[in-house]
Parts: sequence; structure tokens; C-alpha cells
Amino acid sequence: AQSVTQLDSHVSVSEGTPVLLRCNYSSSYSPSLFWYVQHPNKGLQLLLKYTSAATLVKGINGFEAEFKKSETSFHLTKPSAHMSDAAEYFCVVSPEYYGNNRLAFGKGNQVVVIP
Amino acid sequence: NAGVTQTPKFRVLKTGQSMTLLCAQDMNHEYMYWYRQDPGMGLRLIHYSVGEGTTAKGEVPDGYNVSRLKKQNFLLGLESAAPSQTSVYFCASSFSRDYIHEQYFGPGTRLTVT
Repeated sequence: AQSVTQLDSHVSVSEGTPVLLRCNYSSSYSPSLFWYVQHPNKGLQLLLKYTSAATLVKGINGFEAEFKKSETSFHLTKPSAHMSDAAEYFCVVSPEYYGNNRLAFGKGNQVVVIP
Repeated sequence: NAGVTQTPKFRVLKTGQSMTLLCAQDMNHEYMYWYRQDPGMGLRLIHYSVGEGTTAKGEVPDGYNVSRLKKQNFLLGLESAAPSQTSVYFCASSFSRDYIHEQYFGPGTRLTVT
């Protein structure tokens, strides 16, 4: 079964500095991978997704992620943090085969942006 | 296009009471899901449905029941609420796509059981 590991449950960054959130996955097949963002008291919103096309994926709000199969990683980055980036971020891996629609969620990274 | 909506947004129950959470989507999605979110646990799947009239158990189904009588609606029921069911509940929906199961989430229902 697939699984996701997100280290650093809490991440603090200064406004204007880079953001890096790490995600490692395990899967028997080449998965699809997603990053979702959850702002306080809101639902989850798709940030970006990898679906076996380009390994460098660009998402909304200046975020991007790079799929590295050899490292089983899908780290999320942003060159310059903004106050509005304060939120919780979830890395998610897709099912291993068609018909199994159960995503595997990481436990999340809570990002705090310091002015 | 409202996307995924959830009713109610907040609810407080006493132990042993019952309630139903309603999820509705207007995107004609085949798949619908109920999750619970607890601090430090991420999202855990309670039940899901792959189409009208079908339901299946997820990771943490005990104490919950679901029904999908109409394609656009997915109901989550608590027959006898317990304090351990205090959580934020999210509904989601998705198309049925090969290996691509991007899910669209509702705004959540915050449930407190005293």
C-alpha cells in the first residue's frame, strides 16, 4: 500500500525567504502526487499535481514541486514566502491501480510566516 | 457552480445523540468521500462511494454509516455520538479517472460531542 511521510510538522519561515516542505512517498507503481493547502477554518484546496508528465510541476500562488523517482520525493518549494502562505500543507499520493480511489495523505506541515 | 457544500457548518451533540451530515456536489462526480481531520493525524477516510447506490468502508468506519441515494448527495450518519467523534469532517468528490484522483473538498463541519 502507498504511504506518505512529511517531516517537520511545524515550519517557520520569514516573509520573503524561501519555503521548502519535504515529502517522501512509497508506492509500488509510478504514482500521481498532489499538494493540497488548507487555510485556517477552510477546506483543502489543490495546490499542484504530478501525473507522469513533466517532473517539475508549477502550481498556484508561485509554488512548485519536483518529482524525483530515484529519491521517492515530491518536495514543495516557493522562492519567497508571503504572509498569505501561512496554512497547513498536505502531500498526497494517488492509488496504485485504477479502481482504487483511496488517496494516502501525509500528516501535514503547519507553516507559520514571520513578518 | 457551488462545488462541494456541507451542511451544517457547526454542531454540538451530547453523548448518545444522533445526527446526519449532508454533502452535496454539483460537478457530476462519480466518487464521493467522507474524512475526519484530527490534530496531527492528517485526514483519515471514513467511508466512500464509487457511484449512486454504492458505499464502502474506509480507514476508520466504526460508529458511522453512510448513504448515497442520489449521485449528487452523500450522507454521513452518527447513530450514537461519542466524545471520540469530536472532529472536523470533510466531504470530497472526484471524477473516476485512471490514476488521477484529484479530489474537491467541501468547507468542513466542526462537530463537538460532549
